[in-house]
Amino acid sequence: DAKTTQPNSMESNEEEPVHLPCNHSTISGTDYIHWYRQLPSQGPEYVIHGLTSNVNNRMASLAIAEDRKSSTLILHRATLRDAAVYYCILRDTYSGAGSYQLTFGKGTKLSVIP
Amino acid sequence: EPEVTQTPSHQVTQMGQEVILRCVPISNHLYFYWYRQILGQKVEFLVSFYNNEISEKSEIFDDQFSVERPDGSNFTLKIRSTKLEDSAMYFCASRPEGNYNSPLHFGNGTRLTVT
Repeated sequence: DAKTTQPNSMESNEEEPVHLPCNHSTISGTDYIHWYRQLPSQGPEYVIHGLTSNVNNRMASLAIAEDRKSSTLILHRATLRDAAVYYCILRDTYSGAGSYQLTFGKGTKLSVIP
Repeated sequence: EPEVTQTPSHQVTQMGQEVILRCVPISNHLYFYWYRQILGQKVEFLVSFYNNEISEKSEIFDDQFSVERPDGSNFTLKIRSTKLEDSAMYFCASRPEGNYNSPLHFGNGTRLTVT
């Protein structure tokens, strides 16, 4: 699987926007960019995914660089509940004979300051 | 919103004992997964299951591990003879068939402690 690089940790003030970066310079044309997060003592939770175009949903926005070698997860207004580890994962749609399992890295631990 | 549920939330067992971790995936989902997370480490893929058979497994998933879907709702992970190093959080996940990019839905895990 192509690799992603994320900062180990980031801090944000409550109610301010947060931009979580991810580098994936070896991304292939069939890799989708997925983001999951893991709140303390919980299982991972899907956030958003995209291929080339920027994407928005109720949780976040995903901005993808034109060359696709990097992306940024944007939380528009951080809340205390957003404190979690955020994982940027590349998912090859043609791998795994249909299982399309996820390979998690270390992610970015986001702390939200009240 | 439908959820993946896992039981028990915490299991303590002695080394060498067999344990069965149980999961109820979301009802219309057809792909099932087990992951584990040793304390302070990454979430690691163990196995995926589709159409009543293993579709992919990692190197961690050796002969001590097995999975089963004994009825239409449960999905279980059995560890035949537990070792100290099996102590970890075990997460079950499921996803629907079809779209390759359909997200995985995870349960909140079973904490397995082997003493």
